Amino acid sequence: DQQVKQNSPSLSVQEGRISILNCDYTNSMFDYFLWYKKYPAEGPTFLISISSIKDKNEDGRFTVFLNKSAKHLSLHIVPSQPGDSAVYFCAATFRGTASKLTFGTGTRLQVTL
Amino acid sequence: EAGVAQSPRYKIIEKRQSVAFWCNPISGHATLYWYQQILGQGPKLLIQFQNNGVVDDSQLPKDRFSAERLKGVDSTLKIQPAKLEDSAVYLCASSGRTSGGANEQFFGPGTRLTVL
Repeated sequence: DQQVKQNSPSLSVQEGRISILNCDYTNSMFDYFLWYKKYPAEGPTFLISISSIKDKNEDGRFTVFLNKSAKHLSLHIVPSQPGDSAVYFCAATFRGTASKLTFGTGTRLQVTL
Repeated sequence: EAGVAQSPRYKIIEKRQSVAFWCNPISGHATLYWYQQILGQGPKLLIQFQNNGVVDDSQLPKDRFSAERLKGVDSTLKIQPAKLEDSAVYLCASSGRTSGGANEQFFGPGTRLTVL
């Protein structure tokens, strides 16, 4: 039972353009969502998060949007840079506890020159 | 601040052999997690420790996998005997005090296991 889904395994975007990565979840009890970025041969690194009480969180070039009614979140990267090329994982959990993360399958982003 | 350390980085074994992985979390982090990441999938939690106690091991195949965190600091994950389907990257993560509801977990580089 895949509770967190990333339906696009890969995405290619030109440098300077916007990258939009999507994520859907099925468990309505999730109330905290995170995006992780992973380079080859490294562990995932935390990028940005959002609580279910918000619909948007912004950090520099990265913005996460949450649509609770649709159980959908998206990560926007503007402008995209070659160094953003990596695999991006969406994860969901329960706020306020040190609980496990449920990850999606990841989207490989390639930013081309 | 030193990150999460894991060793070895790579391991190749034959099926039915045993293998052990080691993890040293970020200093002061009470919670330690072991995840399994099979190629093309997202990380899946195997076991979670809070200090030296197990919080969640519901997805740990207990007939062959075991883990311990005896002193509440570093941890070992063992597979005995290994199967072909255990080929994966084993990630260790740790987290400390939650801040504003965030459950930011810090991951180590992982151990890539190949079972032949």
